[in-house]
Amino acid sequence: GAVVSQHPSWVICKSGTSVKIECRSLDFQATTMFWYRQFPKQSLMLMATSNEGSKATYEQGVEKDKFLINHASLTLSTLTVTSAHPEDSSFYICSARAQRTYEQYFGPGTRLTVT
Amino acid sequence: AQTVTQSQPEMSVQEAETVTLSCTYDTSESDYYLFWYKQPPSRQMILVIRQEAYKQQNATENRFSVNFQKAAKSFSLKISDSQLGDAAMYFCAYRGPTGTASKLTFGTGTRLQVTL
Repeated sequence: GAVVSQHPSWVICKSGTSVKIECRSLDFQATTMFWYRQFPKQSLMLMATSNEGSKATYEQGVEKDKFLINHASLTLSTLTVTSAHPEDSSFYICSARAQRTYEQYFGPGTRLTVT
Repeated sequence: AQTVTQSQPEMSVQEAETVTLSCTYDTSESDYYLFWYKQPPSRQMILVIRQEAYKQQNATENRFSVNFQKAAKSFSLKISDSQLGDAAMYFCAYRGPTGTASKLTFGTGTRLQVTL
């Protein structure tokens, strides 16, 4: 089956630093990838949609200068949280949409803790 | 905008029994897709079942089946012969017509407990 990986699975960083999260589709090509944020006991909130080779589309209320998204290839998208603050601590999930079948597959998530 | 509503924050079922999770949605589209996802404690999202709106027949995957009522915009999930491993958060999700702009809209989730 289609597999999406995320790295790292857990990261702790200091306030003011930046952290990058990678999302890879391992056995399929994904022209579109999605980034979600999930707070404890809540649903997934879509942050942005990234298309390979073009700028990401951010949802209303999401700061694009804070959450930098790059989708440089058909198998890799990255989310960089810049100048992280404790309120950015959350669970971040990526999802990749298969180019051929249009099915959407989810990564295992990354837990970010900002101290 | 499309909305997905799950009115049951928590549900409980005894092992081997049957439970139904409710979901309603709002859309003006005629062609769309509906999904149920399971999120266990590991937090990995797992697709349980999907339904295409143009199909009248309810989708079934082993112990999981749906009751899709298009006119009522209702999409409930029935879990038969519940197992301890079914304990998880369940999210109902809607996706519009296939296209580059289509994206999943999730409900708020239902936490399912399975008791012995």
